[in-house]
Amino acid sequence: KAGVTQTPRYLIKTRGQQVTLSCSPISGHRSVSWYQQTPGQGLQFLFEYFSETQRNKGNFPGRFSGRQFSNSRSEMNVSTLELGDSALYLCASSLEVTSSTDTQYFGPGTRLTVL
Amino acid sequence: AQSVTQLGSHVSVSEGALVLLRCNYSSSVPPYLFWYVQYPNQGLQLLLKYTSAATLVKGINGFEAEFKKSETSFHLTKPSAHMSDAAEYFCAVRYTGNQFYFGTGTSLTVIP
Repeated sequence: KAGVTQTPRYLIKTRGQQVTLSCSPISGHRSVSWYQQTPGQGLQFLFEYFSETQRNKGNFPGRFSGRQFSNSRSEMNVSTLELGDSALYLCASSLEVTSSTDTQYFGPGTRLTVL
Repeated sequence: AQSVTQLGSHVSVSEGALVLLRCNYSSSVPPYLFWYVQYPNQGLQLLLKYTSAATLVKGINGFEAEFKKSETSFHLTKPSAHMSDAAEYFCAVRYTGNQFYFGTGTSLTVIP
């Protein structure tokens, strides 16, 4: 099976712009979670989608949004970019995340640089 | 608050020496515990997970971890470090529910 794929791998944007990142989960996985990783804050949970519905949301401003499509692919959008949004954005998929033994599998990430 | 703590943001060991990376969780309810490894410019890769079947869990690349309820710990060990083990290691917990909580990570350096 193919792993979790994320596109693009690298992005450079300027302040005030918006950006859309894409994540394709492992085939058959229905849950997709997004994380922001920065050197200072570590891995911070953004949100989780399951069956096209947002089930959980982390403590991020409304500029961060996401969605999930019927094929489980997910996108996240960041509007009005700020310098502090520069980070590695990781996507993780899992079968359901309601099973006690469920595991998240991560993609390689999208490196976003905001200038 | 439910959380996980990794003691030591940087650990250095000599090649061939024991690797010990510490992880403690804070909860009265035993969680499901995971260790992930991240190599430069890559995503996180699952090393091993504890799901209450056995307290000593063996993972990939010779790593193992022991769940100790009395100490609320899930430390990661490897008997003999290899140069290829140099990476960032993350401990994560998941309680009933569906959100993972990650530690701040431990950067492992292996000295030749």
